[in-house]
Amino acid sequence: ETGVTQSPTHLIKTRGQQVTLRCSSQSGHNTVSWYQQALGQGPQFIFQYYREEENGRGNFPPRFSGLQFPNYSSELNVNALELDDSALYLCASSSTGTGNTEAFFGQGTRLTVV
Amino acid sequence: AQSVTQLDSQVPVFEEAPVELRCNYSSSVSVYLFWYVQYPNQGLQLLLKYLSGSTLVKGINGFEAEFNKSQTSFHLRKPSVHISDTAEYFCAVSRKTSYDKVIFGPGTSLSVIP
Repeated sequence: ETGVTQSPTHLIKTRGQQVTLRCSSQSGHNTVSWYQQALGQGPQFIFQYYREEENGRGNFPPRFSGLQFPNYSSELNVNALELDDSALYLCASSSTGTGNTEAFFGQGTRLTVV
Repeated sequence: AQSVTQLDSQVPVFEEAPVELRCNYSSSVSVYLFWYVQYPNQGLQLLLKYLSGSTLVKGINGFEAEFNKSQTSFHLRKPSVHISDTAEYFCAVSRKTSYDKVIFGPGTSLSVIP
């Protein structure tokens, strides 16, 4: 148990719809990173949030966006869903500036786009 | 940019036999190295990490890995596997300047045969 919680655990959406995924970071952590893990592949870095601002982005289009709140929890929003967006979405929390190099992952949200 | 190669997509091994999962990385800057394990329908759990110092790193569940800078490798080993080690294993790197933006390899599926 890492203390990182994600909701919902499973979700089915129709192509073209919008979706919001949520992540509560571990207590004391100020940074949240989001990853997309397609079936049979390794996780791909989407973006990271630190102090409520985007702090780095992977190779994902602008329809992937996010937010971080003052309590360091975070949301991942995906607009205009495509079939290829079907994946496990993982959130990881960490503590920037403390020298602690470990990121703790949540259980993920399984998104299916039909 | 950093990249990670895991040479074996699937590794079957008999219970109580030794196992080595291979990982090679590419980076123009200094990196941290990680091995994560993912059990079915779960998130990622950190097995071990190399930050600096001794090139032999010991992790949880009896796993260890050796960093070889000249060969840019970070192979994972266990002298005697158990059925419960059946899982997906991911090698990963991050730049030392942004250690929580992790680049993952494609994964190796370890199957322990009774």
